[in-house]
This record gives sequence, C-alpha cells and structure tokens, in this order.
Amino acid sequence: KAGVTQTPRYLIKTRGQQVTLSCSPISGHRSVSWYQQTPGQGLQFLFEYFSETQRNKGNFPGRFSGRQFSNSRSEMNVSTLELGDSALYLCASSDQDSTYFGPGTRLTVT
Amino acid sequence: AQRVTQPEKLLSVFKGAPVELKCNYSYSGSPELFWYVQYSRQRLQLLLRHISRESIKGFTADLNKGETSFHLKKPFAQEEDSAMYYCALSRLSGGYNKLIFGAGTRLAVHP
Repeated sequence: KAGVTQTPRYLIKTRGQQVTLSCSPISGHRSVSWYQQTPGQGLQFLFEYFSETQRNKGNFPGRFSGRQFSNSRSEMNVSTLELGDSALYLCASSDQDSTYFGPGTRLTVT
Repeated sequence: AQRVTQPEKLLSVFKGAPVELKCNYSYSGSPELFWYVQYSRQRLQLLLRHISRESIKGFTADLNKGETSFHLKKPFAQEEDSAMYYCALSRLSGGYNKLIFGAGTRLAVHP
C-alpha cells in the first residue's frame, strides 16, 4: 500500500495570507489527523477527522480548520497567517491498529 | 492534565552501551502508550506500543502504572539507533486517534 502523502512539501507564505494543505491517507483508512511540529512546542495535535466528521480537536485558534472528503482525503486551512504558524505540519492516517504519518508540509511564514 | 514528559533532550552513548530513554506520563483514565522514532530525513514511525508487549529492533518498554512511566530500553545500542525518539499516549479505546507527544529525546550512538 502507498503511504500517507502530503502536498505541497514546502510552502512559503506571507503574514496575513491563508494556506491550504492536502493529505491523502493510506487506502482504506477513514481516520485522518493533523499535527503541528515546531522546535519550541514539539508535536501538537490539531484535529482528527473520521468519515468526513471532525471527531477530536486540539487547542488551536479558529484560524486553523480542516475538512475531510468522501474519499477520506483531507485538507487543513490556516487563515490570516502569523509568523508563529511556521512549522512542519504532519498528517497521519489511522486504522484500528496503528497510526501512520506522512512526510509533512514545511510551512514558512515571512 | 494529560501530559507526557521526556526529561532528556539528548542522550549520548557509545556503541554497545545500554540505553534507557525515560518517559513519564500524566493521564486521568486508561492510556495507551507508544514510542515513535524519527530517523534522519525519514517520517515519524511507530516503534512499539505497550499493549503489544513486543521487542522491536531490540527495544522494549514496560508500562509501570504505579510510577506512570514507560521507559524505552535496549541492552546494546547500535549506531543505526541514532534518531529522535518520542513517547506518546492516547486514550485506550478504539476510534480515538489523538496522540499526545512528549518533547522527544535525541539518541546519539557513537562508534
């Protein structure tokens, strides 16, 4: 099976802009989660989607949102970007046994 | 509060030496504990989980509920073990895929 894929892999945006990141889970996986990884805060859970419904949410402001499509692909959106949003954004897909991570999208906000 | 603590940012050992990466947790309820590893330029991947009680790549970890610890151990470190190791927990039940990670410990194994 192909692994979790994320696009784009690298992104540079300016403060105030918005960005959309995409994730394709492993075939057959219905759960997709998103994490933010920064040197200061480490790995932090953003949200999880299961069958197109948000099932869990972390402690991030409303500027961070996501959605999941009927084919389980997921997108996350960050509006009104701030410098502190610069991070590696990881997507993960899960089955009943395990969670598998994608390579991440490196977002730089200037 | 739900929290995972990895007290060491860096653990530096010589090849063949024993390794113990510490992990303590705080969780109200029944957690499931994991160790994830990230090798250089590779994606984060599961190393082991407490419910499977396996030994993966020579690593073992035992859940100690009394001490709320889940330390990762290996009797003889290899250079290829050099990586970033993250301890994580989740609620012990199906259909709840929210992982809480520790800050991570970088293991450096020197020849």
